[in-house]
Amino acid sequence: NAGVTQTPKFQVLKTGQSMTLQCAQDMNHNSMYWYRQDPGMGLRLIYYSASEGTTDKGEVPNGYNVSRLNKREFSLRLESAAPSQTSVYFCASSEAVGGIGGYTFGSGTRLTVV
Amino acid sequence: DQQVKQNSPSLSVQEGRISILNCDYTNSMFDYFLWYKKYPAEGPTFLISISSIKDKNEDGRFTVFLNKSAKHLSLHIVPSQPGDSAVYFCAAINNDMRFGAGTRLTVKP
Repeated sequence: NAGVTQTPKFQVLKTGQSMTLQCAQDMNHNSMYWYRQDPGMGLRLIYYSASEGTTDKGEVPNGYNVSRLNKREFSLRLESAAPSQTSVYFCASSEAVGGIGGYTFGSGTRLTVV
Repeated sequence: DQQVKQNSPSLSVQEGRISILNCDYTNSMFDYFLWYKKYPAEGPTFLISISSIKDKNEDGRFTVFLNKSAKHLSLHIVPSQPGDSAVYFCAAINNDMRFGAGTRLTVKP
């Protein structure tokens, strides 16, 4: 069982470049999330999608856009990367928004913006 | 504004002893609490949870205690094993899930 798959695992960008982080889940979950993890800050919610066709902002949405392409896929786009976006990005999914049963996380994308 | 706080960045215990990881929160609207475990280069994995209507939940070696009046929860691991060495995140739910900064647990053989 693959669970939540994120690509790429590592990426280095130059300031101003754009890129899209891909996420796919095979558990038929309704809700999907993007988090970033920074030292001393824990995981902070960037955007989430409660169900297919909906997206909402989280704690730190500035500089990002998302697309819930279908029930399986939820992508995160950086239009013009900045050094402050250097972080580890995690995608997660859950059966319902809020995730009382716990989220299933991908293994992360380590992004460095130089 | 961090609504979920883990004030101890690290904890070291001897194998076989008890590990106690603490978490405080500020938002009284949180109604569900969870603990996640994270190994290097992997995503967090769900460990145990507790509803705000309970004060204790147990699953094998792991027990979570909730003190709503103090807005405090703790995770007890008994007995601790070297394989428990990881970063532990506390999380709380009110519409969405908020995470603490994590505590790195090291269990020494």
